[in-house]
Amino acid sequence: AQSVTQPDIHITVSEGASLELRCNYSYGATPYLFWYVQSPGQGLQLLLKYFSGDTLVQGIKGFEAEFKRSQSSFNLRKPSVHWSDAAEYFCAVGGGADGLTFGKGTHLIIQP
Amino acid sequence: DSGVTQTPKHLITATGQRVTLRCSPRSGDLSVYWYQQSLDQGLQFLIQYYNGEERAKGNILERFSAQQFPDLHSELNLSSLELGDSALYFCASSIRPGQGRGNTIYFGEGSWLTVV
Repeated sequence: AQSVTQPDIHITVSEGASLELRCNYSYGATPYLFWYVQSPGQGLQLLLKYFSGDTLVQGIKGFEAEFKRSQSSFNLRKPSVHWSDAAEYFCAVGGGADGLTFGKGTHLIIQP
Repeated sequence: DSGVTQTPKHLITATGQRVTLRCSPRSGDLSVYWYQQSLDQGLQFLIQYYNGEERAKGNILERFSAQQFPDLHSELNLSSLELGDSALYFCASSIRPGQGRGNTIYFGEGSWLTVV
């Protein structure tokens, strides 16, 4: 069965600092990997996705993620965070018709 | 705005009652997914429909059911509600089923259900 682990429940970063959110997945075949963001009271917005090809994926809002098959990881990065980036971030994996499997999420707090 | 519309946005109901959540997918999307988000279980896949047919089933309780209509909108029916059913219910849609290249899943803003 597929699964996703986001080891960090909360992360606090100063505004302007760099960010890395960790994601590890378990999947039997080639995974399709996603990062979604959920702002308070909002739905899930897709930040980026990886299907195949270049392992460094660029997304919206200045985010990028790198797929590392050897480490079963798909970490999300941003070089300089803004206060508006404070939100809940979800990593997800899917490869078939049975929907996405999400991690528990990482709550990002931005310090001024 | 993802283009996926869910109603109602908020709903408060009593235990034992039945509610229906409605979802209109993005224009052109044939596949609809339902997810439940709760504090203890996180985001869980419930069920998927593609062009009116059930495509995949996840952790959906027997008290819950869903359907997709010919106009592609979908409804999630929750019956014999319990306190533990209080959650945010998301609908999502995509052009095709599965997670293939280019088949992005877009989420609505969710329906908040509170069971008292």
